Amino acid sequence: DTAVSQTPKYLVTQMGNDKSIKCEQNLGHDTMYWYKQDSKKFLKIMFSYNNKELIINETVPNRFSPKSPDKAHLNLHINSLELGDSAVYFCASSPVLRSSGGYTFGSGTRLTVV
Amino acid sequence: AQSVTQLGSHVSVSEGALVLLRCNYSSSVPPYLFWYVQYPNQGLQLLLKYTSAATLVKGINGFEAEFKKSETSFHLTKPSAHMSDAAEYFCAVSDETGGGNKLTFGTGTQLKVEL
Repeated sequence: DTAVSQTPKYLVTQMGNDKSIKCEQNLGHDTMYWYKQDSKKFLKIMFSYNNKELIINETVPNRFSPKSPDKAHLNLHINSLELGDSAVYFCASSPVLRSSGGYTFGSGTRLTVV
Repeated sequence: AQSVTQLGSHVSVSEGALVLLRCNYSSSVPPYLFWYVQYPNQGLQLLLKYTSAATLVKGINGFEAEFKKSETSFHLTKPSAHMSDAAEYFCAVSDETGGGNKLTFGTGTQLKVEL
């Protein structure tokens, strides 16, 4: 059983389209995150949710809208996709809001905008 | 805000040689520090973590790291490199500034292991 699963694994789409990435964790964790890894492999946090409540929104364009229907799911919807949105998006979860335990990451969604 | 700096974006070692990947942190409070490994086309896997208990931390796959407050360092080592260690390694610090908790990552070090 995969602990943090993301779908789809690969996503190729045209500029201007709207797309969603889904994430689910079966670890019973309270906090979930979206990270973006750019072409130079730099990882930067985008959002975090704790028990369905938005905690961190890290200066991300408002074309990106996260949604957490319950604490096991955190989806990412992107409107009007741009070339610069091409990246690998990672979902992660941690046991509590302030955690020394580290995060568990999904395997990533590689988004390519053409 | 807390931050980490990884010195050397690429490190190359021979199989069987010592692996040393450098990480220095900047933190106004005692930090939680982590090393993650990313194999090609995969997610990030936790190697080890420092959470203010023992300063020498042992992780998976024979890796260990030592927290040195005087040097603000948390370097990752492995006595003998194996071909399967070739991957991208990220140092990270738990950052609670601005509310919430997030991992702030270094820029990564690509480890190459040669025969």
